[in-house]
Amino acid sequence: LAKTTQPISMDSYEGQEVNITCSHNNIATNDYITWYQQFPSQGPRFIIQGYKTKVTNEVASLFIPADRKSSTLSLPRVSLSDTAVYYCLVGDSGNTGFQKLVFGTGTRLLVSP
Amino acid sequence: ETGVTQSPTHLIKTRGQQVTLRCSSQSGHNTVSWYQQALGQGPQFIFQYYREEENGRGNFPPRFSGLQFPNYSSELNVNALELDDSALYLCASSPNKQGSPRTDTQYFGPGTRLTVL
Repeated sequence: LAKTTQPISMDSYEGQEVNITCSHNNIATNDYITWYQQFPSQGPRFIIQGYKTKVTNEVASLFIPADRKSSTLSLPRVSLSDTAVYYCLVGDSGNTGFQKLVFGTGTRLLVSP
Repeated sequence: ETGVTQSPTHLIKTRGQQVTLRCSSQSGHNTVSWYQQALGQGPQFIFQYYREEENGRGNFPPRFSGLQFPNYSSELNVNALELDDSALYLCASSPNKQGSPRTDTQYFGPGTRLTVL
């Protein structure tokens, strides 16, 4: 079964770059690795996804090594509003067909002035 | 706003009762996933429906069941409620094309907060 590990918490200051890594093994080879942001009492919000190498959008970058055993979310120049919990999401490497989706353990990011 | 709605917002039940939670997916989305999120923890995958068929399930007992309707809205039913079922229940829809990866971008609703006394 797929297992994921993330740092429990991280602290940063406004304007800094933040990198959050998720370690994941036994993930499906044909699935995206996806990252979500969640604020208290809200549903997770999509940030970015990718298969491998590097993906960049208007809010973040995602780095995935060739072995896909980890992924790193990079948030450039964070602001106070980036204070939230960040999760990776991967697919379990079931033997046949669809198995299940596995969220990471979550990283609580606190951005200070 | 993701266009995914859930009802009710909050619900209080007692042990042994049954509950039905509802989710309306975003227009054009044919896939709905349900998650349970206990306080302070990450979402746990319950199951996923694609075009009215369950196509994946997490480690939840059979008393957790679901339905997806022709308009792709969905229900989560939980029988014989237990205290540990108290959680935020999240539904997410996605526009999966046939053969597309399972972790396609999902759009989450605000959740239903269930309290079991």
